[in-house]
Amino acid sequence: ETGVTQTPRHLVMGMTNKKSLKCEQHLGHNAMYWYKQSAKKPLELMFVYNFKEQTENNSVPSRFSPECPNSSHLFLHLHTLQPEDSALYLCASSFHSGSSYNEQFFGPGTRLTVL
Amino acid sequence: SQQGEEDPQALSIQEGENATMNCSYKTSINNLQWYRQNSGRGLVHLILIRSNEREKHSGRLRVTLDTSKKSSSLLITASRAADTASYFCATDGAGTASKLTFGTGTRLQVTL
Repeated sequence: ETGVTQTPRHLVMGMTNKKSLKCEQHLGHNAMYWYKQSAKKPLELMFVYNFKEQTENNSVPSRFSPECPNSSHLFLHLHTLQPEDSALYLCASSFHSGSSYNEQFFGPGTRLTVL
Repeated sequence: SQQGEEDPQALSIQEGENATMNCSYKTSINNLQWYRQNSGRGLVHLILIRSNEREKHSGRLRVTLDTSKKSSSLLITASRAADTASYFCATDGAGTASKLTFGTGTRLQVTL
């Protein structure tokens, strides 16, 4: 148990569906992250939120829409996804100070399958 | 690309043996971190080594960093079956565009 929870753990959706992934951290961190992990590829950073403000959008398609209502909660809203978006989506949190990235605490991930 | 590259991609050893994994990167860093991932699960942070450090220990883990060669190694001593997992290095690149960048990982299999 890392102090970062994600729901749902598994999600199957059609290309026309709209769904949301939820992440919650209980560690008092000020930064939260969404990563995408596909088979045989490095972990891809998607979004970074620092004190609820989005500080990085790593050229992610607009069919992925993040939301960070407070420093403990992070959502990833999904709509009109493609089969190639099937992957493990990981949320993480950390203390972020200045320009240095400290250790990150990851949730268990949501395994997403797009049919 | 700042991306770290782990070597080897896969490693199979017997319980009790030592396992060594290497990571190479391309540009200056603030720190380098090692993570572990059990199949289909989230990553777990193992150890962070800063650019001005050369070696760190944590239990059975030993990490070295050679900034002149832009490389790091992770040594797991006296391996156990429970160490079976994927291991990733992540680099915190120096500069205004820094972010934590992960490699593709080394898959370690420890057999009884």
